[in-house]
Amino acid sequence: GAVVSQHPSRVICKSGTSVKIECRSLDFQATTMFWYRQFPKKSLMLMATSNEGSKATYEQGVEKDKFLINHASLTLSTLTVTSAHPEDSSFYICSARSGQDTQYFGPGTRLTVL
Amino acid sequence: DAKTTQPNSMESNEEEPVHLPCNHSTISGTDYIHWYRQLPSQGPEYVIHGLTSNVNNRMASLAIAEDRKSSTLILHRATLRDAAVYYCIPFKRSNSGYALNFGKGTSLLVTP
Repeated sequence: GAVVSQHPSRVICKSGTSVKIECRSLDFQATTMFWYRQFPKKSLMLMATSNEGSKATYEQGVEKDKFLINHASLTLSTLTVTSAHPEDSSFYICSARSGQDTQYFGPGTRLTVL
Repeated sequence: DAKTTQPNSMESNEEEPVHLPCNHSTISGTDYIHWYRQLPSQGPEYVIHGLTSNVNNRMASLAIAEDRKSSTLILHRATLRDAAVYYCIPFKRSNSGYALNFGKGTSLLVTP
């Protein structure tokens, strides 16, 4: 199946700093990518839908000024957590659609904010 | 979105078949039934999907009830690597950017 990568796989940062997470579709073009967040022992929660060349659509309760999403090309979307705080510590997962029904997920990024 | 009901957890012995049930009584006629699984500390992985007919692939089989109000994911011979959370997700086929709506899923434990 198609491959989606994320970088970095894990990051530890100090409170107040910004962290950028990259999501790449390696062997297909993705007009739509999705960003999810997962807290321990919880299910995935959709944060935003990212469309190439346009502004992202955020889910209710997700601050667009805190979680900046850029989808500059058909193979790359980035999520920047600005002024991160300990409550932002979570497992961030992206996914991409290849135009078919199936979504392909990245391996996730573990963010720990001290 | 259609609601789903899955057991919180199930347990299986290695090399035995596993039947993971899912109720989706409010599913619409155009919703496909998708199954994904998530291994510990990894992103979800596509398993299988279907609309009305039973489906088979190299990972699993999907049995869909005639009224489409329930489905069963079948792992023919469970291995330790199949220990994961399995999600049943009704999903409307569309060209627009619909995300998958993950419920709580079923945590499958496989014992040697």
